[in-house]
This record gives sequence, C-alpha cells and structure tokens, in this order.
Amino acid sequence: KAGVTQTPRYLIKTRGQQVTLSCSPISGHRSVSWYQQTPGQGLQFLFEYFSETQRNKGNFPGRFSGRQFSNSRSEMNVSTLELGDSALYLCASSLVWQGLDNEQFFGPGTRLTVL
Amino acid sequence: SQQGEEDPQALSIQEGENATMNCSYKTSINNLQWYRQNSGRGLVHLILIRSNEREKHSGRLRVTLDTSKKSSSLLITASRAADTASYFCATTGAGGTSYGKLTFGQGTILTVHP
Repeated sequence: KAGVTQTPRYLIKTRGQQVTLSCSPISGHRSVSWYQQTPGQGLQFLFEYFSETQRNKGNFPGRFSGRQFSNSRSEMNVSTLELGDSALYLCASSLVWQGLDNEQFFGPGTRLTVL
Repeated sequence: SQQGEEDPQALSIQEGENATMNCSYKTSINNLQWYRQNSGRGLVHLILIRSNEREKHSGRLRVTLDTSKKSSSLLITASRAADTASYFCATTGAGGTSYGKLTFGQGTILTVHP
C-alpha cells in the first residue's frame, strides 16, 4: 500500500505570495491532518479534515486554510506569506479518528521557504 | 505550545548501548505515541500505547506509561547507528473532540556512534 504523498517537496516563495500544498492520504484513510514544524515552535497542529469537513483547527491565523476532496485528498493554502511561515509542513492520515487507537501516518513533508 | 517536555533534549551513546528517553504531558490522554524523524523528513510511527496500558513492546522498543505521573518512557535496546534520529512523543487528548490532533513533545535527538 502506498504511503502518504505530499507535493511539492520543496517550495520557495516571497513574502506576500500565496501557496497551495497537496496531500494524498493512504488509500482508505479518511482523516487527514496538517502540521507545521519549525525549529522554534516544534510540531504544531494546523487542522484536520474528515469526509470533506474540517473537524478540528489549531491556533493559527486565518491565512492558513485547507480543504478535503471526496477522494480524501487534501490541500492547504497559506495566503499573504510571511517570513515566519518558513517551515516543514507535514500531512498525516489515519483510517478514522476514534477510540483509543488513532495512529497517524505521515508524509515526507513540504519544505516551504519564504524570502 | 507543546503538550509537555522530553528529556533529555539530546542523547549520545555508543552502538550496542541502550537509549532511554522520557516524555511528560499535562492533560488527560487517550493514548501516547512515539515517532522517529530522520533529519527533517517525515515522521515514522514507532509504537502506540493506550491510556489503559502500562507497558508495550515492539522489537527493540519498550514503552511504559504512567498516567498518574503523566509520563512515558521509550527504551531502545542494543542501539544501532541507524537509530540516529529525533524521537518525539505525541499524545491524543481524552474525550471526543480532539479530532486528528496529536500534541507533540519537543523531541530528543539521539546520536548513536558506531
């Protein structure tokens, strides 16, 4: 079974631009979560989607948004990029999210650099 | 902000030695998971321990969980150079509203010297 894939793997943008990152979950997985990883703040939860609905959201400004399609693929968008948005963005999928078992499987990440 | 802290922040050992990493968290949890990350890449899931479990084994990994102390430890036995990586603990909050959210510790950087 193929793992979680993310595209692109690397991205360089300038301040003020916007960016869209894509994530394809493991086949059959319906829950997709996004995380931001920076040296200063570590790994922080952005949001989670399940059946095209955002069920949970982290403490990020409205410039960060996402969506999920009917095939469970997900995209996240960051508008009006700031230097501080430079980070590794990780996508993770899980079969469902319930009970005591909710392992998440991560993609390789998209390295975003904002100049 | 992070859920808790990991200790030590960095650990350097020789091949064949055991490595122990500790994790503390702050709120009630459904489970605690350990992940490995190699040099800024994606996270690899290592092991999950439920809140009603106290110890779990997987190959060379042994995880313990003490919910009364809100702490966990990860033991890697007979370490190898290939175990060199950052290790993170992550918790899932108790209750039904923390959908899709893992709260990560700050991580322990493990270096295993050949």
